[in-house]
Amino acid sequence: EVQLVESGGGLVKPGGSLRLSCAASGFTFSSYSMNWVRQAPGKGLEWVSSISSSSGYIYYADSVKGRFTISRDNAKNSLYLQMNSLRAEDTAVYYCARDSGGYNRFDYWGQGTLVTVSS
Amino acid sequence: EIVLTQSPGILSLSPGERATLSCRASQSVSSSYLVWYQQKPGQAPRLLIYGASSRATGIPDRFSGSGSGTDFTLTISRLEPGDFAVYYCQHYGSSPLYSFGQGTKLEIK
Repeated sequence: EVQLVESGGGLVKPGGSLRLSCAASGFTFSSYSMNWVRQAPGKGLEWVSSISSSSGYIYYADSVKGRFTISRDNAKNSLYLQMNSLRAEDTAVYYCARDSGGYNRFDYWGQGTLVTVSS
Repeated sequence: EIVLTQSPGILSLSPGERATLSCRASQSVSSSYLVWYQQKPGQAPRLLIYGASSRATGIPDRFSGSGSGTDFTLTISRLEPGDFAVYYCQHYGSSPLYSFGQGTKLEIK
């Protein structure tokens, strides 16, 4: 069974940093591109970042470019999101999501982890 | 930048009725990369339709997708209580890499 479990969320002050993790199981992690998608409270979905299976291709939304860094460790079946210079508008539930084998759709999602940026 | 606009924002229907949700792109997009998700309160989104019209694994045939170019539609033929949720369309493109519509909330009338 495919499972994605996020962790690392919490309360952080504006300007602070946080590192999110996503532990994957039930599939060959190293064969799939992975993504972070966020959802502000009561709002819609916003794509944040994508990383290819071997980390050769990395993409960011303009809203986080230069502040967030996506990475992965295929030996540990883990995806990460390093978030720096956090702003109030970064407050959201952050989901990790698997790309369905290169077909550019998200077939499995984690349950999400809440990041709150507030003083 | 491609913008996806979903309508209506809220759709109020009764169980057993037919639901028609719209997703309009600001410019023509490839239907191969048009996707629909369902999200229930407190849950992660769930993949429903990909390639504009193909159902994902385990999705009942009450759900169907159609469209091309700039206009896409998600249809739920006979609403069941578990279908009341928020629905998002998504497109894979260039900038941003992925874009989502703002969502349509399907609520019980």
